[in-house]
Amino acid sequence: AQKITQTQPGMFVQEKEAVTLDCTYDTSDPSYGLFWYKQPSSGEMIFLIYQGSYDQQNATEGRYSLNFQKARKSANLVISASQLGDSAMYFCAMREPGNKLVFGAGTILRVKS
Amino acid sequence: GAGVSQSPRYKVAKRGQDVALRCDPISGHVSLFWYQQALGQGPEFLTYFQNEAQLDKSGLPSDRFFAERPEGSVSTLKIQRTQQEDSAVYLCASSVPAVSSGRAVPGTDTQYFGPGTRLTVL
Repeated sequence: AQKITQTQPGMFVQEKEAVTLDCTYDTSDPSYGLFWYKQPSSGEMIFLIYQGSYDQQNATEGRYSLNFQKARKSANLVISASQLGDSAMYFCAMREPGNKLVFGAGTILRVKS
Repeated sequence: GAGVSQSPRYKVAKRGQDVALRCDPISGHVSLFWYQQALGQGPEFLTYFQNEAQLDKSGLPSDRFFAERPEGSVSTLKIQRTQQEDSAVYLCASSVPAVSSGRAVPGTDTQYFGPGTRLTVL
C-alpha cells in the first residue's frame, strides 16, 4: 500500500505567485514525521521543512510553509513568492519507525517568468 | 560545515562487475542511510546504520548488495555482479537527533543527503 501520495506529477506557477504542492500520507503510528525535500536537476536532495505529528502549529521556514491537516492526513507544501530557482522536483516523505524515510513519487514544479 | 559527500559521482560498470560506492557523512552524525533512486521515481530505502551497527537492511534488493560502516563514520555500499536493473542513483544520508537540555530527543532526526552516485550498468 502506498504510504505517501503526491497526486500532481507536474505544476506550473508564475514567478512571484504562491503555489501549493499536495501530499497525503497513510500511517497507523501515532508518532511520525513528515518532510519535504527539493531535488534540482543537479540531483542533490535538499531538506526544506519538517512537521512532527505532535506539533501544534504548522511548520514554516522562510518562504516554505507546511499546511498540516492531521485528520485528513495531508501535509501540503506552500511556497510563497515563487522564484525561477524554485523550479525542481519536490518530494514529500514520512519517517517510519526505525527512522527510514518513505518517499512519494514527486511533483515537478516549473516557475514561469 | 561540510555536508555529506559521496564518491564517485558517476560510475559506469559492465554487467557482472563489482562496484563500491563511498559515503562520508556529516561529522558527528550517528545515523547513516542508503537509498536507491531509479529514474523518475522517489528514493527507496536500502539500509540504515547507527554508528557501526547495521540496524536495518530490509531494503537491500538481493544478496549481491552489501553495506558496511566499520568505524561508525565512512560507509561503503558494495554491489557484486552488477546487473542492468542496478542502474540508478545511490543516495547516502546522515542524521542526528535534536538535543534538548543536553539529551537527544528521539524521533527528531532530519536526514541530510549527499549528491548521490549515478551508477550505469552496461
